[in-house]
Amino acid sequence: SQQGEEDPQALSIQEGENATMNCSYKTSINNLQWYRQNSGRGLVHLILIRSNEREKHSGRLRVTLDTSKKSSSLLITASRAADTASYFCATDLKRSYGNKLVFGAGTILRVKS
Amino acid sequence: GAVVSQHPSRVICKSGTSVKIECRSLDFQATTMFWYRQFPKQSLMLMATSNEGSKATYEQGVEKDKFLINHASLTLSTLTVTSAHPEDSSFYICSAWGQGDSYEQYFGPGTRLTVT
Repeated sequence: SQQGEEDPQALSIQEGENATMNCSYKTSINNLQWYRQNSGRGLVHLILIRSNEREKHSGRLRVTLDTSKKSSSLLITASRAADTASYFCATDLKRSYGNKLVFGAGTILRVKS
Repeated sequence: GAVVSQHPSRVICKSGTSVKIECRSLDFQATTMFWYRQFPKQSLMLMATSNEGSKATYEQGVEKDKFLINHASLTLSTLTVTSAHPEDSSFYICSAWGQGDSYEQYFGPGTRLTVT
């Protein structure tokens, strides 16, 4: 089963508004990453936040991490129609035979112009 | 940035036939690549980890004989769906770890497989 769970599952906002997506996970992590996927395409890496970081910014993106609550949020400010996509969080799961990324269920964001 | 390509982008095949999907790292060497499967409006499910020069490591529940993975070189991994059935229709995506100590995975654009 997927470690990460995201809410909301779908989010529809007007252009210019902010969009907030949340992710929860179950095990301890070294880092948490956010990816974006346009419909029918591969994933694009957005931002990585390490377990010892609480907040990180990249352009219009702001990610927070609360390891005590095992949760993270992705905020997109001043959204644009081009931000319409699915957004996934992913955690790095360590295994004896190699790490793997475990993805959350994703949030489908629709930004209306 | 690192680029990963997949070929073909779309394929339609008949039940019972086999289909090969290629994943290439274009500007870096990838000792490890990953194959994912994604159903419509769902998340990515890791199928297997492909290691150059050795056997792939499959996730629980993934049939090794059904999904053959070969990682013959540092820039190429292939996934062959053998004796395909309509339920194998899905979006298949490969990825590779970034270079150095990067935790970022670089993803291919995906392959849409439709089995009729």
